Amino acid sequence: QKEVEQNSGPLSVPEGAIASLNCTYSDRGSQSFFWYRQYSGKSPELIMSIYSNGDKEDGRFTAQLNKASQYVSLLIRDSQPSDSATYLCAVNMDQAGTALIFGKGTTLSVSS
Amino acid sequence: KAGVTQTPRYLIKTRGQQVTLSCSPISGHRSVSWYQQTPGQGLQFLFEYFSETQRNKGNFPGRFSGRQFSNSRSEMNVSTLELGDSALYLCASSSQGDYTDTQYFGPGTRLTVL
Repeated sequence: QKEVEQNSGPLSVPEGAIASLNCTYSDRGSQSFFWYRQYSGKSPELIMSIYSNGDKEDGRFTAQLNKASQYVSLLIRDSQPSDSATYLCAVNMDQAGTALIFGKGTTLSVSS
Repeated sequence: KAGVTQTPRYLIKTRGQQVTLSCSPISGHRSVSWYQQTPGQGLQFLFEYFSETQRNKGNFPGRFSGRQFSNSRSEMNVSTLELGDSALYLCASSSQGDYTDTQYFGPGTRLTVL
């Protein structure tokens, strides 16, 4: 059974701080890794995708992948109250299609 | 481009009934996946369709089924509804159906089973 694990939180950070979200996965063969953000009552929206070891930066967001440790993280710099949401880590189920295995999400709360 | 659309947005059914949910992908997208989201289990993969063929299936009972039409629109059906089927059902589309593709989610259908 392929699994993706995340701390459920809540993770609370003050405005302007760095929020660090972590995710581990069980299948060493996983190739694609995604971070989605989900606001309460809304559907998930993609923030970052990462496929190679190392860091990938997009604005205030940095995704980090370490395949040897089976670990993915998302850093949010200069956190804003509008970043308060649930962050979902997802990993491709196999290479035959787009099916994703999701973690249960980490709830982030940014206080002003 | 218009986003992924799902109908209906809300649905109330009683145990034993069946339900059909509809999803229209982003224009040009050929892959449609369905997910079930509950507070306890989170987001769980149901099945994926690509060019009218089911390519992958999650660990759900046979009461859950789906299909895709030639215009890439997809439907999922749940027969003999149970209370535990109450959930948000999300549809996601991607262009090529490759494992690196970005999936775009629709707004979901909120199903309540009484």
